[in-house]
Amino acid sequence: DAKTTQPPSMDCAEGRAANLPCNHSTISGNEYVYWYRQIHSQGPQYIIHGLKNNETNEMASLIITEDRKSSTLILPHATLRDTAVYYCIVRVGWDQGAQKLVFGQGTRLTINP
Amino acid sequence: NAGVTQTPKFQVLKTGQSMTLQCAQDMNHEYMSWYRQDPGMGLRLIHYSVGAGITDQGEVPNGYNVSRSTTEDFPLRLLSAAPSQTSVYFCASSFDRAYEQYFGPGTRLTVT
Repeated sequence: DAKTTQPPSMDCAEGRAANLPCNHSTISGNEYVYWYRQIHSQGPQYIIHGLKNNETNEMASLIITEDRKSSTLILPHATLRDTAVYYCIVRVGWDQGAQKLVFGQGTRLTINP
Repeated sequence: NAGVTQTPKFQVLKTGQSMTLQCAQDMNHEYMSWYRQDPGMGLRLIHYSVGAGITDQGEVPNGYNVSRSTTEDFPLRLLSAAPSQTSVYFCASSFDRAYEQYFGPGTRLTVT
C-alpha cells in the first residue's frame, strides 16, 4: 500500500494561495490521491481527488506530477476558515469492495490574518 | 438531507459497561465505515460495511461489534468498555467505492 508524506505544519497569509505538498513515491498505477481536511473537532471533509490529471473544483485544485510520485493541493484564496489539518490519502485498494481510507498525520495549515 | 448523523455527541462510560454508538445516513449510500481518532493522531478504521448484511473488520476491530440490517443504519457496539477505547468516533458513508466519504460530526467517548 502506498504511503504518503506531508509536512507537519504550514502557515499561509489570508487571501494568498495555500500550496500543500504530498509525497507518495510508492503509489501504484490504479491508486487515486484523495485530499480531506478536518477543521477542529469536526468530522473530516472531502476536498478533491485525482488519478493522474490535474483536477479543480469549487474548493481547490489538485496538481499531480507526471510520474505521480507527488501532488500539491492548492487553495487559491485562503481564508481563516481554511485553518485545518489536511490529509493526503492514497486509496489502499479493495477488500470486498470497500473503500478503505488510511489517514496519516496530515498537515496542520494555519491561515494568518 | 441530514447527511450522516451520530448519537450521542458525548458519552462517559465506566470500565466494563457496554453501549451502542448510533450512525445513520439518508443518502442511500451502500458503503459505511467507523473510525476512531485518538489525540494527535489520524483516523483509524474499525469496521466497515459494503451493504446491508455485509460487514468486515478494519485496522482496529478488537472490542467492537457492528451489524448492518438496513442501508441507513450502521451501529457500533462496545461490548465491555475499556479506558483504551476513550476516543472520538466518526462514522462515514459513501455512494460507491470510487466516491468520496461523508463523515458524521463524531461521538466523544470517555471510559473511566
